[in-house]
Amino acid sequence: GAGVSQSPSNKVTEKGKDVELRCDPISGHTALYWYRQSLGQGLEFLIYFQGNSAPDKSGLPSDRFSAERTGGSVSTLTIQRTQQEDSAVYLCASSRYGDRAATYYEQYFGPGTRLTVT
Amino acid sequence: KQEVTQIPAALSVPEGENLVLNCSFTDSAIYNLQWFRQDPGKGLTSLLLIQSSQREQTSGRLNASLDKSSGRSTLYIAASQPGDSATYLCAVDQTGANNLFFGTGTRLTVIP
Repeated sequence: GAGVSQSPSNKVTEKGKDVELRCDPISGHTALYWYRQSLGQGLEFLIYFQGNSAPDKSGLPSDRFSAERTGGSVSTLTIQRTQQEDSAVYLCASSRYGDRAATYYEQYFGPGTRLTVT
Repeated sequence: KQEVTQIPAALSVPEGENLVLNCSFTDSAIYNLQWFRQDPGKGLTSLLLIQSSQREQTSGRLNASLDKSSGRSTLYIAASQPGDSATYLCAVDQTGANNLFFGTGTRLTVIP
């Protein structure tokens, strides 16, 4: 079946512009995650959606970053007034999420969007 | 805050060699630990997941161990192949919500 897809695959934008990155999770997956991978650094958690619960935004680096998930499926990560330090690969992942008794929460990752801010 | 460290940062081995990748984490209160591989320009592929109550998991030529009390995990790759060349990442889930803390990875090159 189809995996997690992200668009665009590459985005070059000028400093100060707003950008939107899109993630289509695997059908039926109720949990969705955004991560950022900066050059030379590990993956950094940004935000997590689970069903209709309020998202966990604890990883968002500033108020220029926001994300929404419409209809429990597609998610959009928006970066306003982009800065050069926002340049990174933005990865989205989804997982099937059961109750806490479930023992397996494998996350399936998309190929990422490479954002370059000039 | 949880910190995850992977050593070495890069490793080159000849084909057929067995190898061990190391991962350490500062807070032992974890739900699980996962190992991923990342190929250039691609997303992550999950390799093994070890629940906090488990000591190891095996999949084919891969074996991952977990010593939660000491904050360490190892990924053992047997009889390495050129196709194993990738960056290997370990990640810990500290909240049970699958919010993962990642290490910076080990870039493995297997030389034919």
